[in-house]
Amino acid sequence: QKEVEQNSGPLSVPEGAIASLNCTYSDRGSQSFFWYRQYSGKSPELIMSIYSNGDKEDGRFTAQLNKASQYVSLLIRDSQPSDSATYLCAVSLYNNNDMRFGAGTRLTVKP
Amino acid sequence: GAVVSQHPSWVICKSGTSVKIECRSLDFQATTMFWYRQFPKQSLMLMATSNEGSKATYEQGVEKDKFLINHASLTLSTLTVTSAHPEDSSFYICSSISGQETQYFGPGTRLLVL
Repeated sequence: QKEVEQNSGPLSVPEGAIASLNCTYSDRGSQSFFWYRQYSGKSPELIMSIYSNGDKEDGRFTAQLNKASQYVSLLIRDSQPSDSATYLCAVSLYNNNDMRFGAGTRLTVKP
Repeated sequence: GAVVSQHPSWVICKSGTSVKIECRSLDFQATTMFWYRQFPKQSLMLMATSNEGSKATYEQGVEKDKFLINHASLTLSTLTVTSAHPEDSSFYICSSISGQETQYFGPGTRLLVL
């Protein structure tokens, strides 16, 4: 079993819709969770971090964490074509020095 | 967020030559730096973790004698790909972390070995 699993996609949504990206992780003791966005040919950039159960909102982005189910998700409201990218889920067990990345989900937002 | 730079942004070299890539944290002191490699349409693969003043810790399957890492200061780490071959062509990305903060990525270096 992979440590961090994501559906590879591609996930396609129309402009203005909600995009839902999911991630599961294997180590129940994981403490920190991150979502990165990576445009084609570019390096990842941090979108959200979440550390406790529940929802965390930042603009159009909402991260949701459920440690009991070992599940973290990212919702993108009012999706825009500029949101088209690969979204990487990352999980850390201890101190963010041991971050493990999922394979990423490719999102396409169609105008 | 923190700023991490990499140099060069891209490099083309002949097979057998060595290539050095620099990673700098510009506005903070990085206790730890990470080197990743990413092949087309694949995810990030951690190559090694380096702490200032100590030897790097390499992931399984990564040749430490081929990928030399030097972390001479809290703001600079270098990755040298020795005797590069076409199969080493990839996107190399570094990241930096200060204490227990989030990892911040550099812009990446695209290496093409002919």
